[in-house]
Amino acid sequence: GAVVSQHPSWVICKSGTSVKIECRSLDFQATTMFWYRQFPKQSLMLMATSNEGSKATYEQGVEKDKFLINHASLTLSTLTVTSAHPEDSSFYICSARPGRGQGSGANVLTFGAGSRLTVL
Amino acid sequence: KNEVEQSPQNLTAQEGEFITINCSYSVGISALHWLQQHPGGGIVSLFMLSSGKKKHGRLIATINIQEKHSSLHITASHPRDSAVYICAVRASGTYKYIFGTGTRLKVLA
Repeated sequence: GAVVSQHPSWVICKSGTSVKIECRSLDFQATTMFWYRQFPKQSLMLMATSNEGSKATYEQGVEKDKFLINHASLTLSTLTVTSAHPEDSSFYICSARPGRGQGSGANVLTFGAGSRLTVL
Repeated sequence: KNEVEQSPQNLTAQEGEFITINCSYSVGISALHWLQQHPGGGIVSLFMLSSGKKKHGRLIATINIQEKHSSLHITASHPRDSAVYICAVRASGTYKYIFGTGTRLKVLA
């Protein structure tokens, strides 16, 4: 079945540094990847939609200069939290949607395992 | 009011009990997913529904499109079923998903 790998699974960094999180589709090509953020005991909130080869579409209230998204290939999207601050500490998770002809269809929802970011 | 509402928010059950988690939504959808999130955070998709009923092992998911309601049932619950169960809908005409706040299930041995 479709597998999405997310790395790193957890990261601790100092305030002011930048952190990159990778989301890879291992056995399918993902034309669209989604990035979510989840605070403790809250639901997943969509941050942005990442389309291969084009600029990401950010949800209202999400700072595009703060959360840089790059979808450079059909199997890789990255989220970079720039100049991280303690309030950016959260659980970040990606999901990927197969492209046309990938078999499983557009409704398949495959998640990465998530990345827990702690900013000191 | 959230577009996707789940109930209950928290549920504690004894091993072997039959469990029902409900999801109501207020938007038109093309698909509904039931997801399981374990304490470590990883999320697994249990079911994708657009109509009717699906069964996988001890899990059963139903959806009533007219009533905009779905239920997830767990038969013969087990402590390993302890997790957060999340209902997610794909709004019609988009690829975006809207998530419920989740139901935190704890099954006691």
